[in-house]
Parts: sequence; C-alpha cells; structure tokens
Amino acid sequence: DGGITQSPKYLFRKEGQNVTLSCEQNLNHDAMYWYRQDPGQGLRLIYYSQIVNDFQKGDIAEGYSVSREKKESFPLTVTSAQKNPTAFYLCASSAGMGRGNTIYFGEGSWLTVV
Amino acid sequence: GENVEQHPSTLSVQEGDSAVIKCTYSDSASNYFPWYKQELGKRPQLIIDIRSNVGEKKDQRIAVTLNKTAKHFSLHITETQPEDSAVYFCAASLYSSASKIIFGSGTRLSIRP
Repeated sequence: DGGITQSPKYLFRKEGQNVTLSCEQNLNHDAMYWYRQDPGQGLRLIYYSQIVNDFQKGDIAEGYSVSREKKESFPLTVTSAQKNPTAFYLCASSAGMGRGNTIYFGEGSWLTVV
Repeated sequence: GENVEQHPSTLSVQEGDSAVIKCTYSDSASNYFPWYKQELGKRPQLIIDIRSNVGEKKDQRIAVTLNKTAKHFSLHITETQPEDSAVYFCAASLYSSASKIIFGSGTRLSIRP
C-alpha cells in the first residue's frame, strides 16, 4: 500500500477550472485505476489502464481525462465539464487486471469546488 | 456483466459479538473475492480474500466463506472490537485477464461499547 502516492491530499477548485490529481506507484504494477467516492457511498470506476499508453473508460468517465505515459504514473484531470466534482478520489494499482490480482489503493485526494 | 450486491448497508453490534456481512454475485465465472476495510477518511485496505477453489478462509478473528452454487460469499468477524468500526466492501472478479473488479456498495459496521 505504501507504494502508491497521491497528491495533493486536499485540493480546492474554482468553477470552470481544470485540476490534475497526481498518482505515482513504485510497485512495478501494470494496471492502474481511478475511483471516485462520494460521502457515504461506494467506489465508482472513472478510468483504468492495463498498460502504458493505453487506458479505458470506466463507469463515470464523463468530465475526466487521464494519461499513461509512464508505467508508474497515472494522472487524472478533472475538467470543467465535470459538473459535480466534489468527492474523494482514489488511485489504485494491481500487478495486472483480472487473474486474482489484488488492488491496492493510494491515500486518496479530497477535491472540493469553491 | 458482473453485479455484486452487499447486505446489510449498515450493521450495529455489541462489542464482543460477531458480525456477518453478505454479498451475492451474478457471474458464475467469477472466482476471486476480496474484502476491503475502509476507516473514515482513509483508503480501502485489503483484509482478506478467497479464491473459488476453497470454501472458507480464516485469519485470526476474520473469516470468509464462499458458496459457489448459491453465488454468495460472507465476511465473518468474531469477538468484535471498537477498531472494527469501519465500512467494509466486498468485491468479485473473473480470473481472465482484463477483468475488472466489481465492488459491492459497502456496509457501515458500528461496534457498540
């Protein structure tokens, strides 16, 4: 778990701004994920990436964008098109997708719209 | 695709008693079932998992049982303690590559002193 670093931990966004959440892992994992969690709610998948230079939309990708230029990095941009971005964002990684590979989570980033 | 239902959504038990959380899944091909614990404001952390080739797995006060025929699996916590208070998520996934893990909606467990 300690191998996944998210920053910043707290972020405030003004209306109409794009913000980028950083996620770095040193676990040599191929797969990386972004989840959104609203207060008192479950985990919803935003985007995932199985390998460098490839990523797929999850269940709630609208208003978000990602890139996977390096194996260890999977930044998430919350664009102005995301109308209700206030939430807890969790980055995660696993050795690979499926095949019983355990998903490990970062510490999370709290995003608030002001 | 796979769907995971989790019950109950909230659970309150007396300290020292047992707690049971149940999940059902829809895809009979699913064969990996992890459980995560999330304390308030923290990240989910894996506490135990089970693969479909076994029916039960224990780790101290925590156990998970799997009924493949009925497509349900359960988390059992015995001798509950205050630090067990958290939200617990079950999940299921297929063994095939590129299979996404599907999470349940979570159970908020409260331990009464």
